[in-house]
Amino acid sequence: QVTLKESGPGILQPSQTLSLTCTFSGFSLSTYGMGVGWIRQPSGKGLEWLANIWWDDDKYYNPSLKNRLTISKDTSNNQAFLKITNVDTADTATYYCARAPNWDYFDYWGQGVMVTVSS
Amino acid sequence: DTVLTQSPALAVSPGERVTISCRASESVSTLMHWYQQKPGQQPKLLIYKASNLASGVPARFSGSGSGTDFTFTIDPVEADDIATYYCHQSWNSWTFGGGTKLELK
Repeated sequence: QVTLKESGPGILQPSQTLSLTCTFSGFSLSTYGMGVGWIRQPSGKGLEWLANIWWDDDKYYNPSLKNRLTISKDTSNNQAFLKITNVDTADTATYYCARAPNWDYFDYWGQGVMVTVSS
Repeated sequence: DTVLTQSPALAVSPGERVTISCRASESVSTLMHWYQQKPGQQPKLLIYKASNLASGVPARFSGSGSGTDFTFTIDPVEADDIATYYCHQSWNSWTFGGGTKLELK
C-alpha cells in the first residue's frame, strides 16, 4: 500500500526558508524509474508543479522558481524534502508530495500540508 | 514553459456525456495526464499518457489526443464526478492546466 504524508511548519514569516518533508511507504526511491515530486496549490487556485527528484538523484525544477528551490531525499528513511528560500505571501498554499513511478505522471498523492506565510 | 489551456467550467447533468479539452502551446507527444480533484481532497490520477486508464478507475472515464490537442471524456456522468479536472504534461518540463470545474446544471 503506497502512502505519502507531508509535514511542514504551518506558518512562517516573509524572507524565511520553508522546509517540507514527505514521508512515504509502500515503495522505494532507490527503485529504477521512481521519483517523488512536489506540487502546490494556493487556496481556490490551480496546481503548480515545483520539483521532482529521481531514484538516481537527478533533480528537476520549475524554471520560474528554480533559484529558490532545493529538493533532496533520504532513501534509507523513505523521505523526500523541499526547501524554498526567501518566502513571501505568494508562497501561501497547500503543498503536496506525490509519487512518479515511471518518469511521467503522479499516481499517488499525499493529503497535503497547508503553509501560511504571514508577518 | 509549455502552457496548457482548459476551459474554466462546464455544466452537466447526470447521465450525459461530457468532454473536457486541454490544448498545449507546443507538442507534448502523448505525455498528457488527467487528474480529478474534489474539494478538500488531493488530486487523483485518472488517465495517464493520453489514453491509459489508471488502476481502479471506472471505464466511464477516457482520454484521447496527441501533439497539442487532448480530450478527456466522462460517459455517462454521475453526480459523484462533480469535481475539478486538471490536465498535466510531462514532455517539456512539467506543467498543469488551470483546471476545468464540472458543475451540475
